[in-house]
Amino acid sequence: GDSVTQMEGPVTLSEEAFLTINCTYTATGYPSLFWYVQYPGEGLQLLLKATKADDKGSNKGFEATYRKETTSFHLEKGSVQVSDSAVYFCAQRVQGGSEKLVFGKGTKLTVNP
Amino acid sequence: DTEVTQTPKHLVMGMTNKKSLKCEQHMGHRAMYWYKQKAKKPPELMFVYSYEKLSINESVPSRFSPECPNSSLLNLHLHALQPEDSALYLCASSQPWTSVPDTQYFGPGTRLTVL
Repeated sequence: GDSVTQMEGPVTLSEEAFLTINCTYTATGYPSLFWYVQYPGEGLQLLLKATKADDKGSNKGFEATYRKETTSFHLEKGSVQVSDSAVYFCAQRVQGGSEKLVFGKGTKLTVNP
Repeated sequence: DTEVTQTPKHLVMGMTNKKSLKCEQHMGHRAMYWYKQKAKKPPELMFVYSYEKLSINESVPSRFSPECPNSSLLNLHLHALQPEDSALYLCASSQPWTSVPDTQYFGPGTRLTVL
């Protein structure tokens, strides 16, 4: 079945460090891929998305590239800030599938000053 | 505007109470969703409405009763809940599934505590 696997963490970094959160997917169809961020006590916010292979999503210094050959959508940021501390969820929706959004388990990121 | 609003922000209720959660969007989306999120877990889908009709019910207990009175509003009626139902309840909206899955936009959630 369709699934998303992401590194669970927690991940702790110092400010200005490089961030990578790995995400891989399995899908029976052609998925669109998403990264959502959840700040403490809040709902989910869309961070970025990609709808086809080789697309790069980017927002607020975060980037992720849709790699069909490795079925991956890793999240990266060159220099994290304390304000990036949050839980990050990788997710997919499959074309030809239902309206379900399939989430990874989430990765908690803490950035220390 | 990509805003989904939810009220109330916090709700405390007893096991015999009846309460409702409300969700509203003005993005012209015709699909709306209820999710339940427990601490340190991803959201779990409960219900999907597409064009104001219930299209997905993920085997949710009948003490949760969704309602979609129009294309902008989504309610979740709660009755005889259990303490294990305490969670963050998230509403989301999107265009219905077509050839390209559309982005789901989430509200801030209602933090529900059942005593």
